[in-house]
Amino acid sequence: NAGVTQTPKFQVLKTGQSMTLQCAQDMNHNSMYWYRQDPGMGLRLIYYSASEGTTDKGEVPNGYNVSRLNKREFSLRLESAAPSQTSVYFCASSPTSGYRTDTQYFGPGTRLTVL
Amino acid sequence: QKEVEQDPGPLSVPEGAIVSLNCTYSNSAFQYFMWYRQYSRKGPELLMYTYSSGNKEDGRFTAQVDKSSKYISLFIRDSQPSDSATYLCAMSPPYGNNRLAFGKGNQVVVIP
Repeated sequence: NAGVTQTPKFQVLKTGQSMTLQCAQDMNHNSMYWYRQDPGMGLRLIYYSASEGTTDKGEVPNGYNVSRLNKREFSLRLESAAPSQTSVYFCASSPTSGYRTDTQYFGPGTRLTVL
Repeated sequence: QKEVEQDPGPLSVPEGAIVSLNCTYSNSAFQYFMWYRQYSRKGPELLMYTYSSGNKEDGRFTAQVDKSSKYISLFIRDSQPSDSATYLCAMSPPYGNNRLAFGKGNQVVVIP
């Protein structure tokens, strides 16, 4: 049982390049989330997927797109990377969709640098 | 005003001391309160989970919620060097697709 896995662990991009961050969970969770973490800013929600087939914007969605490929996988795409997107990206999942709050389980993160 | 305020610190304490961390919040609808621990270069992991007001104890950790003051606390007794980490508070109302509002995190260093 690996929990939440993320690939890659590290990435360096040039401005304007595109890339996709991959996330997978093996806990049969309904909900999945993408966050970015920056010094002094805490965790900020980029996009989330309450259940398979649905996605919604979070606090800072500009410059990103997401795909909930199936129940296990939730990817985050940067179409044209900018230096402001230099950050640590975390994927998380939780068991519940709807009207309860449940624990979120986090992956190990992807450290992205955009030059 | 951000929904959740947490003084980022850092906080340095000697081994064995009591660590006291707190967060304030503005949304009175929050009913679920969590503390996450994040070691350097790792993802956050859930440490404590409480519902509504009161205290919850788990070993050396105590989480306290005061809804009337919109204030939550985490206490670490007999702190150990292995407690050195960043502690993030998180909270949510009983609706909203499980979206959590996080504090910025508080870095704690326990000095042997």
